[in-house]
Amino acid sequence: EVQLVESGGGLVQPGGSLSLSCAASGFTFTSYEMNWVRQAPGKGLEWVSYITSSGRTMYYADSVKGRFTISRDNAKNSLYLQMNSLRAEDTAVYYCARFAGRGRPFDYWGQGTLVTVSS
Amino acid sequence: DIQMTQSPSSLSASVGDRVTITCRASQSISSYLNWYQQKPGKAPKLLIYAASSLQSGVPSRFSGSGSGTDFTLTISSLQPEDFATFYCQQSYTAPYTFGQGTKLEIK
Repeated sequence: EVQLVESGGGLVQPGGSLSLSCAASGFTFTSYEMNWVRQAPGKGLEWVSYITSSGRTMYYADSVKGRFTISRDNAKNSLYLQMNSLRAEDTAVYYCARFAGRGRPFDYWGQGTLVTVSS
Repeated sequence: DIQMTQSPSSLSASVGDRVTITCRASQSISSYLNWYQQKPGKAPKLLIYAASSLQSGVPSRFSGSGSGTDFTLTISSLQPEDFATFYCQQSYTAPYTFGQGTKLEIK
C-alpha cells in the first residue's frame, strides 16, 4: 500500500525556519518525482515545489523561491522541505504528493502537516 | 505560468442531479488535465487524469472531457458522499497550477 506521511509542522515565529519531512513507503521511491502542495486555512490548493526522481532538478513557486528548498534522500525514501524566512502567509497545511512525471497526475497524497507562522 | 480558472466557484445541487464543472487553461495544455475531490480536513483525492481517464476505484458517475484549453467534470447523478470541493490541475508544465476550486453544496 502506498503511504506518504508528513511530519515536522508546528508553530514558528515570522522570520523563523522549519523543516518538513515526508516518509514514503509501498512503492519504488526512486521511480517517482515528488511535489509539495500547500493549502492555507479556508483557501485552495497551491503548488509549492517539485523535485525529479534523481533529486538533480527542482522547481519552486514564485511565492517561495529563494526561501524554501526541496530535497530528497532516496536511500531513506524521504522527501524534505526546508523553509526559511517564514511569513504569516506561509501558514498552511503542507502535503507531499507522488508524481509519475509530466502529463501524469499527483496520484497519492500524504495526510498533511500544519505549519503556523505567528508571533 | 499557466492559469487555471474554474467555474462556478460554488454550486448548490440535490441528490440525483447532474452537475458539470468547467475548467479553462490560459494556454493549451493538450489533455494534461486532472481533477481532484477534497473533503474537509482530508487530503485531495484523484478522480480523473489525462482529462478523461477515471482513476481506479472512482465511481463511474464521474467523467471528464476536453482538450486544449477547455475541460469539464461531470457527475451524472449526485450521491450524498459527493458533496465536496473539486479542483482541476494542469500537469503540462511546472508550475503545476490548480484551479481555485468549486465547492459543491447540498441544496
